[in-house]
Amino acid sequence: NAGVMQNPRHLVRRRGQEARLRCSPMKGHSHVYWYRQLPEEGLKFMVYLQKENIIDESGMPKERFSAEFPKEGPSILRIQQVVRGDSAAYFCASSPRDRTDTQYFGPGTRLTVL
Amino acid sequence: GQQLNQSPQSMFIQEGEDVSMNCTSSSIFNTWLWYKQDPGEGPVLLIALYKAGELTSNGRLTAQFGITRKDSFLNISASIPSDVGIYFCAGGNTGNQFYFGTGTSLTVIP
Repeated sequence: NAGVMQNPRHLVRRRGQEARLRCSPMKGHSHVYWYRQLPEEGLKFMVYLQKENIIDESGMPKERFSAEFPKEGPSILRIQQVVRGDSAAYFCASSPRDRTDTQYFGPGTRLTVL
Repeated sequence: GQQLNQSPQSMFIQEGEDVSMNCTSSSIFNTWLWYKQDPGEGPVLLIALYKAGELTSNGRLTAQFGITRKDSFLNISASIPSDVGIYFCAGGNTGNQFYFGTGTSLTVIP
């Protein structure tokens, strides 16, 4: 039973480019969460999604950031026109339908903006 | 946003010693989670707590859900070198987002 998968593990972008981060939840999990972690800091909640539905995006910056979790395929976190301050580790977590209070994390995508 | 205070920020201990860390919140939660994160990896769930006063063990790890529902504690007994890492607490309510503590960095000296 594969865990939460994230790709790419490392992503380098120049300022102004777009970054697309993908997350495949654990098998049977229908809830996905995205977090951002800056060096030496804890995880900051960004967005909570179910299939085809954004439940809570209160932690997402209002501009340049978007997330989706389509009916088929992985969840995508998209960052447009990246800036140096977007450099961070982005983690995805998933939980099963009946236990939304237990989250399992993927290995993360480390985004570096040059 | 919500701030969880986790302490201590870092610990340096001898192998074999016991470890205690805690997490406090200004809000009431109905769930507390404890995670361990190794460098370059994602957090791994250690223990989940769902009821005030609950005491749950996972091997040498024991965690407690505080009676006030505003705090939680994690103890590690007889520490070993592979316990090294950063430990995070997370508090939340079912169906809503979880808030993470700032982490406790643990170093075990052989």
